[in-house]
Amino acid sequence: QQQVKQSPQSLIVQKGGISIINCAYENTAFDYFPWYQQFPGKGPALLIAIRPDVSEKKEGRFTISFNKSAKQFSLHIMDSQPGDSATYFCAASILRTGKLIFGQGTTLQVKP
Amino acid sequence: GAGVSQSPRYKVTKRGQDVALRCDPISGHVSLYWYRQALGQGPEFLTYFNYEAQQDKSGLPNDRFSAERPEGSISTLTIQRTEQRDSAMYRCASSLSGGGGTQYFGPGTRLTVL
Repeated sequence: QQQVKQSPQSLIVQKGGISIINCAYENTAFDYFPWYQQFPGKGPALLIAIRPDVSEKKEGRFTISFNKSAKQFSLHIMDSQPGDSATYFCAASILRTGKLIFGQGTTLQVKP
Repeated sequence: GAGVSQSPRYKVTKRGQDVALRCDPISGHVSLYWYRQALGQGPEFLTYFNYEAQQDKSGLPNDRFSAERPEGSISTLTIQRTEQRDSAMYRCASSLSGGGGTQYFGPGTRLTVL
């Protein structure tokens, strides 16, 4: 019940295309859903996050879509750029605990 | 500004030895977290502190693993009698407020147990 399942494992997108990464969770007590971006040799860095009281959050080219009834959320990267090539992790948490449960990660390659 | 720092960045040790991994959080951050990240996987929660108090150690794999944060700042993760299966990247993160808030990750310590 603590798992967060992420797909796909890897993704190749052309420059200017839309990248979509999906995550599903089981624990309905989760109330915080962040996405982290990780470049090789670096630690994960927060990209964007959502609380379950909204269905969508947009920051620049990055959008989280959240479906509470389906217990799913996804990251959309619009106008994907080669600089977006990285590993992306979804996560879920019960916010007051701070304990993040991460998905397995998606390696994104954006081809020029 | 200084981010989360960890030392050493790389540690190679022989099976059976004890190792101590250090984390220096962002100044003023209340909460400090330890995660373990296997190659090609997401970080896995180990334990976390608010100030000097260990709030949750449910992710520590067994009693060979322990962590402390005696003065509410720097933290040490200690692994006793290391085994090959302990080989992984160990990451530390800190956040400004307790019980949530953005977690800022350090560069990690790559531990290899021979």
